[in-house]
Amino acid sequence: AQSVTQLGSHVSVSEGALVLLRCNYSSSVPPYLFWYVQYPNQGLQLLLKYTSAATLVKGINGFEAEFKKSETSFHLTKPSAHMSDAAEYFCAVSLSGGYNKLIFGAGTRLAVHP
Amino acid sequence: EAQVTQNPRYLITVTGKKLTVTCSQNMNHEYMSWYRQDPGLGLRQIYYSMNVEVTDKGDVPEGYKVSRKEKRNFPLILESPSPNQTSLYFCASSPSLLAGGRVPDTQYFGPGTRLTVL
Repeated sequence: AQSVTQLGSHVSVSEGALVLLRCNYSSSVPPYLFWYVQYPNQGLQLLLKYTSAATLVKGINGFEAEFKKSETSFHLTKPSAHMSDAAEYFCAVSLSGGYNKLIFGAGTRLAVHP
Repeated sequence: EAQVTQNPRYLITVTGKKLTVTCSQNMNHEYMSWYRQDPGLGLRQIYYSMNVEVTDKGDVPEGYKVSRKEKRNFPLILESPSPNQTSLYFCASSPSLLAGGRVPDTQYFGPGTRLTVL
């Protein structure tokens, strides 16, 4: 069955430190993968997506993610955290080829402290 | 401005009192969807619509209804709300589908409706 797991419901980093948010998926066919961000009191917006092109995907606000098939992972990174990055981040996975399921992870809340 | 709007943003109601949450998008998107967000569970899809008069159940459709009479509007109806429907609701739309499937590509989300059912 298709699923997505985000390791760590809360992550805290210092301003300027590396941000690493983990996402692992299970899928028997090539997946499509998304990262969405939700700022306080707002809806979700797309950060980046993987749709079977380059495995290293660059998104908005300096974020990037790498699709690693062997590890079934799509971790989100940013070299240097800003205070404005504090938000909740959701990984989502969908299967290719005729399926109609888009599954969201439970979310990771990122806190950035001075 | 391209956007998805939802009304109301906040609603407190009582068990059994029918309510409608409206959703409208001005981007001419064919695909629209409703999600509920609960702590620790992420977003779960309630219903989606591929186009006018075409709707289908998502993962958690029980207790909800939708309609799609116009392309821009996709209201969510709770005929007899219950406390377990207390949640944060999001409407989303998408201009395209992923190749070979019925799943949306990039989705554009509304600001959310926080519903409390007493």
